[in-house]
Amino acid sequence: AQTVTQSQPEMSVQEAETVTLSCTYDTSESDYYLFWYKQPPSRQMILVIRQEAYKQQNATENRFSVNFQKAAKSFSLKISDSQLGDAAMYFCAYRSGQGSSNTGKLIFGQGTTLQVKP
Amino acid sequence: NAGVMQNPRHLVRRRGQEARLRCSPMKGHSHVYWYRQLPEEGLKFMVYLQKENIIDESGMPKERFSAEFPKEGPSILRIQQVVRGDSAAYFCASSTSSQREQYFGPGTRLTVT
Repeated sequence: AQTVTQSQPEMSVQEAETVTLSCTYDTSESDYYLFWYKQPPSRQMILVIRQEAYKQQNATENRFSVNFQKAAKSFSLKISDSQLGDAAMYFCAYRSGQGSSNTGKLIFGQGTTLQVKP
Repeated sequence: NAGVMQNPRHLVRRRGQEARLRCSPMKGHSHVYWYRQLPEEGLKFMVYLQKENIIDESGMPKERFSAEFPKEGPSILRIQQVVRGDSAAYFCASSTSSQREQYFGPGTRLTVT
C-alpha cells in the first residue's frame, strides 16, 4: 500500500523569505501523480501544484515549485517570497496513475502547518 | 461555474442520531469522492462513486456508514447511530474522470454531542 509522510508538523517563515516543506512517499508503482494542497483556516482544500511521475521536469506555479526526486521518493514544496496569505496547513498527496486498479483516490500526508511572520 | 457544494456546513447530532451530508459536484463532473478529516490529521479516503454506482468503498467503516450518488440529485453520505468518534470534517471532491484533478467542497463539520 502507498503511504505519504510529512515529517514537519509545523514550519515558520519570515514574510518575503523562502521556505521548503518536505514530503516523502512509498510506492511500488511507476506511474503516479503527486500533489500539494493548501488548507487555510477556512478549511477549503485548494490545489497548489501537481507533478506527474513520468515528467522529469519539476512543476512550477508562480511562487510555488517542487523538487521531485523520484529515486528518493521525495516531493518537497518550495514557497518563494512568502506572503501572509500563504499561512495554512499544507498537505502532500499521492494518486495512482492509469490502470485497472486505479480509482483516483488521493492518499494524504499528515500535513504541515505553515506560519508566516510579518 | 459554481464549485463543489456541500451542506450543511455544520451539523450537530446527539449520540444515536443519524447524520446526512450532501454534496453537489461541479457542473459536468460525474465522479464524487468522500474524505474524512479527524482533528489534527490529514484527509482519509472513504468512498468513490459515479452516478448510481459505488466504485471503491475501501475506506468506509463497515458499519453505520453508507453513501449514494443517485441519477438525479446530490451525493449523500449517511451515518447512522452516530458516536462521538464520528466527529470530524467530511469533505467531498468531484472530478470529470478518475484521472483528472479533484476539486474539493468546503466540507461539513460534524459534531456529535
